[in-house]
Amino acid sequence: SQTIHQWPATLVQPVGSPLSLECTVEGTSNPNLYWYRQAAGRGLQLLFYSVGIGQISSEVPQNLSASRPQDRQFILSSKKLLLSDSGFYLCAWSLIGGIDTQYFGPGTRLTVL
Amino acid sequence: KQEVTQIPAALSVPEGENLVLNCSFTDSAIYNLQWFRQDPGKGLTSLLLIQSSQREQTSGRLNASLDKSSGRSTLYIAASQPGDSATYLCAVYGNQFYFGTGTSLTVIP
Repeated sequence: SQTIHQWPATLVQPVGSPLSLECTVEGTSNPNLYWYRQAAGRGLQLLFYSVGIGQISSEVPQNLSASRPQDRQFILSSKKLLLSDSGFYLCAWSLIGGIDTQYFGPGTRLTVL
Repeated sequence: KQEVTQIPAALSVPEGENLVLNCSFTDSAIYNLQWFRQDPGKGLTSLLLIQSSQREQTSGRLNASLDKSSGRSTLYIAASQPGDSATYLCAVYGNQFYFGTGTSLTVIP
């Protein structure tokens, strides 16, 4: 069966510090991978998606970046965090683009102070 | 740009009641619509997926309908239980996924 992992589960970082959140998927090959952010009182905002190794599409211009160094690994990064980067970050995977359902990881709660 | 709206934002019902959650979207050019459940501080769990060619899907006490032409979907929960308490989100897929802000459901024992 397929599983999706995210770490860390929670993170408190000062403004201006770097960020690295990791997501890995097990039990499937060549998944589409997604990073979302869920801010308080708002819906999920798609940040990045990837259809393959090294292929990243950005939906929202900001100080975040994503990379996919391996087929089942997706990393969200920032060189300098802003207060507005606080939120709940969710990684998800799917097959066949959006035709299939998405499966979400447990999320990372990021607080920027 | 696709906009997804969910009404009501919050709902509180006594145990055993049947209830309906609503989702509306502005662009009918979608491939599918999904309903998810999110428990506090957790990721999303897919409940039902309706392809654009379908009218409804059922899973246990849950029934979701889709009227693509009017841009509406409903999630019907029968005989609600305290364990159903969670936030329910709908999402549509056109060229990407668009999520609503969710309905927070509390089922009172």
